[in-house]
Amino acid sequence: DTGVSQNPRHKITKRGQNVTFRCDPISEHNRLYWYRQTLGQGPEFLTYFQNEAQLEKSRLLSDRFSAERPKGSFSTLEIQRTEQGDSAMYLCASSYPSGYEQFFGPGTRLTVL
Amino acid sequence: AQSVTQPDIHITVSEGASLELRCNYSYGATPYLFWYVQSPGQGLQLLLKYFSGDTLVQGIKGFEAEFKRSQSSFNLRKPSVHWSDAAEYFCAVAPRSNDYKLSFGAGTTVTVRA
Repeated sequence: DTGVSQNPRHKITKRGQNVTFRCDPISEHNRLYWYRQTLGQGPEFLTYFQNEAQLEKSRLLSDRFSAERPKGSFSTLEIQRTEQGDSAMYLCASSYPSGYEQFFGPGTRLTVL
Repeated sequence: AQSVTQPDIHITVSEGASLELRCNYSYGATPYLFWYVQSPGQGLQLLLKYFSGDTLVQGIKGFEAEFKRSQSSFNLRKPSVHWSDAAEYFCAVAPRSNDYKLSFGAGTTVTVRA
């Protein structure tokens, strides 16, 4: 069990650029979640996958955000035309098929200048 | 509306003293309950969880939490705090309706003084 990994750990970009983050879940986990955490707040749910199917998306996930999990393994989160308000920590988590317990990665901190 | 409230934004405690962090939830039915800890620059680590059964649950790092249905609370406690417990603590809930996403409180930052 190597844990959930996320890359990159930090990303600095200019407003208007596109960015992509990657999450590798724990190998036996078929559920994968994305959360966003802004300074001084708890994480907020963005979206989740069961295998390769994206089952739910939050209203926080605007049209500029897209997430994929093409083979039911790793996932990517892309933000197009970044805005300063997108600056946050993006957290990925995974869980067993029958479990509510989620295991979190270290996060990707995005700074939009 | 469903919500998770952590009333204390910041708590300072002396090393060796006891710690209690409060969490209240507002849900139609008792959700699944969790406490996570986040150290600076780190992801979230699960301390403990409550699904059913004994209302006093034991977790890692010497933490425990008590579920009180009548108060809609799930408070986290540690009898004797260590300097390494300085971190941010989040209470989280998940509805018991095959809705697996977690809803988090705003967090409580714990500072430990020597």
